[in-house]
Amino acid sequence: EVQLLESGGDLIQPGGSLRLSCVASGFTFKNYALSWIRQAPGKGLEWVSGISGTTDGTYYADSVRGRFTISRDNSNNTVYLQMNSLSAEDTAVYYCAKVRSHGVGRYFDSWGQGTLVAVSS
Amino acid sequence: SYVLTQPPSVSVAPGETATIPCGGDNIGTKSVHWYQQRPGQAPVLIIYYDDDRPSGIPERFSGSNSGNTATLTISWVEAGDEADYYCQVWDGNTHLAFFGSGTKVTVL
Repeated sequence: EVQLLESGGDLIQPGGSLRLSCVASGFTFKNYALSWIRQAPGKGLEWVSGISGTTDGTYYADSVRGRFTISRDNSNNTVYLQMNSLSAEDTAVYYCAKVRSHGVGRYFDSWGQGTLVAVSS
Repeated sequence: SYVLTQPPSVSVAPGETATIPCGGDNIGTKSVHWYQQRPGQAPVLIIYYDDDRPSGIPERFSGSNSGNTATLTISWVEAGDEADYYCQVWDGNTHLAFFGSGTKVTVL
């Protein structure tokens, strides 16, 4: 059974930094791309960032590019999201999701339960 | 950026059919995926590549995609289908994913 367990969410002041972690199990971690997807309170889903399985290609939404950094540790089955220069607009539940692809197009076949990041003074 | 447009809400009586559109420029040329999110829970994949269902997803859920609109159809709606539904596409050129704004399905 695939499991994704996020951690690291916290209440943080504007301008601060935070690192989220997502520990995966139940699949061959290094073979899969992963993404972070967030959901602000009462709002919809927003894709934030993704990282390839073996090539370590990284990708970012315009809203976070230059402030967030995604990385992975295949030896520990963990993906990270380093978040800098946080603002109130970054307040959200952050989900880690496993990426699947059978050709053109990708989708998210497994999700964690999320971790809450609240940015407030 | 690629914009996906969904109606904020859809209401349907039990046993009837709910139709949820997802509009996008030439979306018929892209693969569309759908997620269900019940209150307080993480999203769950219910349709991938326009019309495929993961194992465990009832046949009552189906999808289609053509032109400028993809559609999620829920047949014989049940009270347990009350949730938010999101469409999603992937831009292969930029490696970015985009979600629709979400549709809240209310079972009357």
